[in-house]
Amino acid sequence: DVKVTQSSRYLVKRTGEKVFLECVQDMDHENMFWYRQDPGLGLRLIYFSYDVKMKEKGDIPEGYSVSREKKERFSLILESASTNQTSMYLCASSSNRVVNTEAFFGQGTRLTVV
Amino acid sequence: GEDVEQSLFLSVREGDSSVINCTYTDSSSTYLYWYKQEPGAGLQLLTYIFSNMDMKQDQRLTVLLNKKDKHLSLRIADTQTGDSAIYFCAVVPGSQGNLIFGKGTKLSVKP
Repeated sequence: DVKVTQSSRYLVKRTGEKVFLECVQDMDHENMFWYRQDPGLGLRLIYFSYDVKMKEKGDIPEGYSVSREKKERFSLILESASTNQTSMYLCASSSNRVVNTEAFFGQGTRLTVV
Repeated sequence: GEDVEQSLFLSVREGDSSVINCTYTDSSSTYLYWYKQEPGAGLQLLTYIFSNMDMKQDQRLTVLLNKKDKHLSLRIADTQTGDSAIYFCAVVPGSQGNLIFGKGTKLSVKP
């Protein structure tokens, strides 16, 4: 069974903290993505990566950074958490090797910044 | 860039058909997807259609694609309470590899 695993389902952090959200996939996928989901706004792409040590900004990268040191792991970093980063964060992965680029999603991390 | 639009809410009675609509702007989109998100969960792929197809049927699901109007729809026959979820339309623009999502349509099924 294919799997994308996010390290936490729920997180509560304080304003100003550095926050790490971890995502691991076991499908040997080249592509990995971080989205945030907010009511009425749908999914917005924060960052994505097409290969190890490679990253590209999505639509809303401000306040975030990412790290992809290994193919299976893609980390999202909030350098200094703020209350407007309270959201549901979804990680996804997909393959470059097939034409149909179906994306597989993790269960999501609901982050609350207080 | 690519823009994907869907209505935010749809309410139907159990046993009726549901039709969720989506419009997109990039005519070079190759694959078009429908994802389902149940409460508290991530997204799961429901079905997809390739741009050279007009229709795809999979059990209770029918996807219709009108390339001229850049309109995609998902029809769920005999809608059940278990179909209550948020449904996302997503496309892969011709120039990119990442998915562009609509805002999601929340389907409520009333007994």
